[in-house]
Amino acid sequence: GQQLNQSPQSMFIQEGEDVSMNCTSSSIFNTWLWYKQDPGEGPVLLIALYKAGELTSNGRLTAQFGITRKDSFLNISASIPSDVGIYFCAGQLDFGNEKLTFGTGTRLTIIP
Amino acid sequence: NAGVTQTPKFQVLKTGQSMTLQCAQDMNHEYMSWYRQDPGMGLRLIHYSVGAGITDQGEVPNGYNVSRSTTEDFPLRLLSAAPSQTSVYFCASSYSRGGEKLFFGSGTQLSVL
Repeated sequence: GQQLNQSPQSMFIQEGEDVSMNCTSSSIFNTWLWYKQDPGEGPVLLIALYKAGELTSNGRLTAQFGITRKDSFLNISASIPSDVGIYFCAGQLDFGNEKLTFGTGTRLTIIP
Repeated sequence: NAGVTQTPKFQVLKTGQSMTLQCAQDMNHEYMSWYRQDPGMGLRLIHYSVGAGITDQGEVPNGYNVSRSTTEDFPLRLLSAAPSQTSVYFCASSYSRGGEKLFFGSGTQLSVL
């Protein structure tokens, strides 16, 4: 099945640093989403993007829908301990397609 | 608000056993789905439903059955468990028929010996 490639696979950063991660696909998506998963929990939606080139923020998080429609980016500014977790991108081919394709995840660890 | 509730939280099965993973949501969402999460593989869609009485296959449906008799419940059945079904299973629902804005349960960790 189709998968989205996320990079990096893992990140080790210090508190206060900015974080950047991305997600790429060989297919065009019309919707991009970013989810975060805390240990032992299900993923939680952070940001949804519906238009190529769109830039959307949610607090310290900013995500962008790539203009090629084949990629998306997530930035976290001034990281804090509660940012630790696994970040997943997800793409949807067509609105109403009903099937999301998830990326392999980026695990974020904050070094004390 | 309970949101999406999954039971059990943990389960160990022997090869060949059957079981049902329960999922219930109290948000009146039409869309519900089941995913499995394996290391390095992200989340893969098993089955989904866009409303009571309607189900469809996802990416990895083999070995799993679902039914949707009510809006609230969407159980996942393993008819004859195999070690390859060892995974963490997540149920999710959405108010959007497109299913993109998902609310996930807290997961069921299943081990098949």
